[in-house]
Amino acid sequence: QVQLQESGPGLVKPSETLSLTCTVSGGSVSSYYWSWIRQPAGKGLEWIGRFYTSASTNYNPSLKSRVTISVDTSRNQLSLKLTSVTAADTAVYYCARIAVVGALGDWGQGTMVTVSS
Amino acid sequence: EIVLTQSPGTLSLSPGERATLSCRASQSVSSSYLAWYQQKPGQAPRLLIYGASSRAAGIPDRFSGSGSGTDFTLTITRLEPEDFAVYYCQQYDSSPPRYTFGQGTKLEIK
Repeated sequence: QVQLQESGPGLVKPSETLSLTCTVSGGSVSSYYWSWIRQPAGKGLEWIGRFYTSASTNYNPSLKSRVTISVDTSRNQLSLKLTSVTAADTAVYYCARIAVVGALGDWGQGTMVTVSS
Repeated sequence: EIVLTQSPGTLSLSPGERATLSCRASQSVSSSYLAWYQQKPGQAPRLLIYGASSRAAGIPDRFSGSGSGTDFTLTITRLEPEDFAVYYCQQYDSSPPRYTFGQGTKLEIK
């Protein structure tokens, strides 16, 4: 079974760039579709984007101008970059593997990111 | 953009009872692309149902999904103590690719 582990700074200053990594074990990052999802404290889930290849990447329109998802095949990692962050970007960020079309199967445990000066 | 509305917001039931959770879409959703998740406090969501009615691996058969078009239902027969959690429905739009979640239903112990 594929296992996912998110990592990155827990605190990011407003206007800076949030950068997270998702390390994949038990499978190749090149073999599946991947997504990032976030969840503000006490609130619901928001899909951020999906990656399969560099030519097959899709983003939530509400975040598209600020987000980039990519993979590092040599490290078997998925990454997320979100620019110009504000307090509204404070959330738990999850990476997930798209196990079947339309559904998010394996999830990481999530990493909390706070945007504050 | 398809909006998913879940009801009720909170459902209070006792162990052993049957739970019926609703997910209504603002426009028709392909049944192939409707999923349900369970989330417990401090944990990541767990996929329960995909394709509207197919159970994910390891999910007990007391969980079942049904529905089509704009109305979908997650049913949990004979609630177990570990079933009390928040449940989310989610749909996938293929053109352009996009995933949307409902706002969640909290299933709490009565």
